[in-house]
Amino acid sequence: DARVTQTPRDKVTEMGQEVTMRCQPILGHNTVFWYRQTMMQGLELLAYFRNRAPLDDSGMPKDRFSAEMPDATLATLKIQPSEPRDSAVYFCASGSGQVGVGHEAFFGQGTRLTVV
Amino acid sequence: AQSVTQLGSHVSVSEGALVLLRCNYSSSVPPYLFWYVQYPNQGLQLLLKYTTGATLVKGINGFEAEFKKSETSFHLTKPSAHMSDAAEYFCAVSPSGNTPLVFGKGTRLSVIA
Repeated sequence: DARVTQTPRDKVTEMGQEVTMRCQPILGHNTVFWYRQTMMQGLELLAYFRNRAPLDDSGMPKDRFSAEMPDATLATLKIQPSEPRDSAVYFCASGSGQVGVGHEAFFGQGTRLTVV
Repeated sequence: AQSVTQLGSHVSVSEGALVLLRCNYSSSVPPYLFWYVQYPNQGLQLLLKYTTGATLVKGINGFEAEFKKSETSFHLTKPSAHMSDAAEYFCAVSPSGNTPLVFGKGTRLSVIA
């Protein structure tokens, strides 16, 4: 059963600490997305990659957020230093990137981040 | 730029009643349209999608949606609501190019016994 795996599922951390969220995309998918979900803003695209190369990270606060794909099976989203306003659910999604499928995205279960 | 408007942040229906969740989009090109469902503490799951061809699209769990270009709409319907349909529903749009999904704010569906 192919699925996107995110770790950790829940993270509580103190303000100022570094947070790293990890994502294993579906095997064979070459496109990875990071979304953030909050009550106020809904689902916002933070960044996305194709073939491990960042295509758009304009949705991320550059001073504290960074996203990478060390290899095809791992994507990371790092926040340093974390702030209370970063509290949200962070979703990773992957897609096949095939022309014509309109970027259908398969979502992981999310990482619920609480910064206190 | 593409955008999605979901009318009604919360919809409540009785069990067995018709479900209608509204979605309007704006897109400068013919869009690809999606409906996703999110159950509590879960990720988003694809319900159905419109890419090309037939404008009435059938999805999982008895849901369907109709693409109406003249109305720029992609409303989601289900003839008879079940208690298990209670969830958050998101409409999303992607242009035919290489742009990721843009989501609406979501509509929470409650089903009353």
